[in-house]
Amino acid sequence: NAGVTQTPKFQVLKTGQSMTLQCAQDMNHEYMSWYRQDPGMGLRLIHYSVGAGITDQGEVPNGYNVSRSTTEDFPLRLLSAAPSQTSVYFCASRRGFRSSYNSPLHFGNGTRLTVT
Amino acid sequence: AQKVTQAQTEISVVEKEDVTLDCVYETRDTTYYLFWYKQPPSGELVFLIRRNSFDEQNEISGRYSWNFQKSTSSFNFTITASQVVDSAVYFCALSVNTNAGKSTFGDGTTLTVKP
Repeated sequence: NAGVTQTPKFQVLKTGQSMTLQCAQDMNHEYMSWYRQDPGMGLRLIHYSVGAGITDQGEVPNGYNVSRSTTEDFPLRLLSAAPSQTSVYFCASRRGFRSSYNSPLHFGNGTRLTVT
Repeated sequence: AQKVTQAQTEISVVEKEDVTLDCVYETRDTTYYLFWYKQPPSGELVFLIRRNSFDEQNEISGRYSWNFQKSTSSFNFTITASQVVDSAVYFCALSVNTNAGKSTFGDGTTLTVKP
């Protein structure tokens, strides 16, 4: 199994540009989420989804948009990139949804985004 | 609201030393899970262990051991006889059975093991 696949691995954007970070999982996991990792700030939740058609905001949702049309895919859209969005982005999935708080997260390999 | 504190930002040890990584958590929920993840220099995040709030038994897996104490809201991680390959960032995380089971992470502890 491929697990959680993120593309691209690296991306450089100019301020104001938009782009979509792709995330796909092949484990039939209901729960998917996006985190950003900044030095000294751990992993902060951007958006999450407990199933197809259901999304919700996490801790730092501003400037990002998500959708969940299928169980497998959970793209993250940057609407108008800003230097403050320079970060490493991780997609993660977990089996189950409502009662899955006991399941560990499976992470993709990350996307390193630089906004100039 | 949930909170996870990893007070040690960076730790440096010499190979074969024992090292303990601290994790303190806060939650009002009585049912929750705690996790440890490892992020080696290559960047991927790997799950190490989980413990539920009703199980305070310590766990040992090879050179790794975990000490969970509800009385002090701590879930500490000890590496015995550390090796260079243990060098990584280690994250402690908390998930509760409410709030869609979202995981809250600590800021991470960077462990450097020198040869």
